[in-house]
Amino acid sequence: QLQLVESGGGVVQPGRSLRLSCVASGFTFSSYGMHWVRQAPGKGLEWVASISYDGYNKYYAASAKGRFVISRDYSKNTVFVQMNSLRPEDTAVYYCARDFRYNVSPRGGMDVWGQGTPVTVSS
Amino acid sequence: QSVLTQPPSASGTPGQRVTISCSGSSSNIGSTYVYWYQQLPGTAPKLLIYDNDQRPSGVPDRFSASKSGTSASLAISGLRSEDEADYYCEAWDDSLFVMLFGGGTKLTVL
Repeated sequence: QLQLVESGGGVVQPGRSLRLSCVASGFTFSSYGMHWVRQAPGKGLEWVASISYDGYNKYYAASAKGRFVISRDYSKNTVFVQMNSLRPEDTAVYYCARDFRYNVSPRGGMDVWGQGTPVTVSS
Repeated sequence: QSVLTQPPSASGTPGQRVTISCSGSSSNIGSTYVYWYQQLPGTAPKLLIYDNDQRPSGVPDRFSASKSGTSASLAISGLRSEDEADYYCEAWDDSLFVMLFGGGTKLTVL
């Protein structure tokens, strides 16, 4: 069945880096754009970054631009987000999600979600 | 502060119909599709509505949505206790090239 499994979360000090992974299964990974969305404790959803199905187009929220890098490995059916210079305000559960449409650049809509991986940035 | 504006809370009694609004601008809701998500406590979000008013398979027809100009709304009819959740609207912004979420609406079934 369609599945996304995130990993890589944990506790990290401010200024350090962390790389999150999301392994996809049950669908043709190379045909779908992928997204990272986060949710701070008790807060709403916040889009972080997206990557197109072919990896050519990448989009970032203002809060992530310049610090986070989204990428994908087709051989491993995995999407990553490398998070650098982490701040306490990056503390959140990070969800990986599949774009609703296939073979197009992301334009909104996520139909498959992972269970999330928690990231805590604290000294 | 979210660019898409939703009321923070909504409520209704079982069987009632409730609506949740989502207000944006010409560069997002006004020119792109709107999506709605339901997030039950402690779980990942679930796609409830796509392309403004379409329901994925498995979503009950008690859930409906519409869009007009730069605003959208989600309606839930025949309210049930299991509908108690957070609801989010989402749209792509064609001028900023970013994805936007509303701040979320917490629905309480009284």
